[in-house]
Amino acid sequence: DIQMTQSPSTLSASVGDRVTITCRASQSISNWLAWYQQKPGKAPKLLIYKASSLQSGVPSRFSGSGSGTEFTLTISSLQPDDFATYYCQQHNTYSGYTFGQGTKLEIK
Amino acid sequence: QLQLQESGPGLVKPSETLSVTCSVSGGSISSSSHYWGWIRQPPGKGLEWIGSINYSGSTYYKSSLKSRVNISIDTSKNQFSLKLSSVTAADTAVYYCARHVQSIVSRQPDHFDNWGQGSLVTVSS
Repeated sequence: DIQMTQSPSTLSASVGDRVTITCRASQSISNWLAWYQQKPGKAPKLLIYKASSLQSGVPSRFSGSGSGTEFTLTISSLQPDDFATYYCQQHNTYSGYTFGQGTKLEIK
Repeated sequence: QLQLQESGPGLVKPSETLSVTCSVSGGSISSSSHYWGWIRQPPGKGLEWIGSINYSGSTYYKSSLKSRVNISIDTSKNQFSLKLSSVTAADTAVYYCARHVQSIVSRQPDHFDNWGQGSLVTVSS
């Protein structure tokens, strides 16, 4: 299976900050990567798919980039509602669908 | 508005079979553009995809779980179900159902765009 590694595991930031979360794949996945946001006790919410496509209804302060093995999720100006855990997920049928271990975004 | 709702037993004994059903409303499970998937999350841990199915019964399973997993679909009830056999405490988790979007290009399932609220299943005697 393809392994997905996120960094950092925890990130402390303030409202208004620009933050970046990185996800690395153990082998090339082209642009088959999605990003999700999860709040405590809630289901994950899709933010980005195909590495850089913004899901309908998601604020434009969220953006994704990358291809091959290295990807980033950027939040341009953190809002109070953005403090949550973020997961990347590779979507390559023949290798299964694996998630990163998560990045917890905390208030500084 | 599409809604997914899991229903399960809450508690399952070790070595028995875990069964969870997902009821879909606000859309048809017979859509040719989607698969329907199961993902689990042990308490305090990350997400693990289990498997996915489409309207015709075509399935994809996580390789390490394949011997214990069966996913089925009932289009007449707009439901799909997960069965996981020979469970242990390691299978204790919140089980989510989700719509698995099919890629226009590859025709393979891709990302998960709608999720149920999750159903906690505890394996304990």
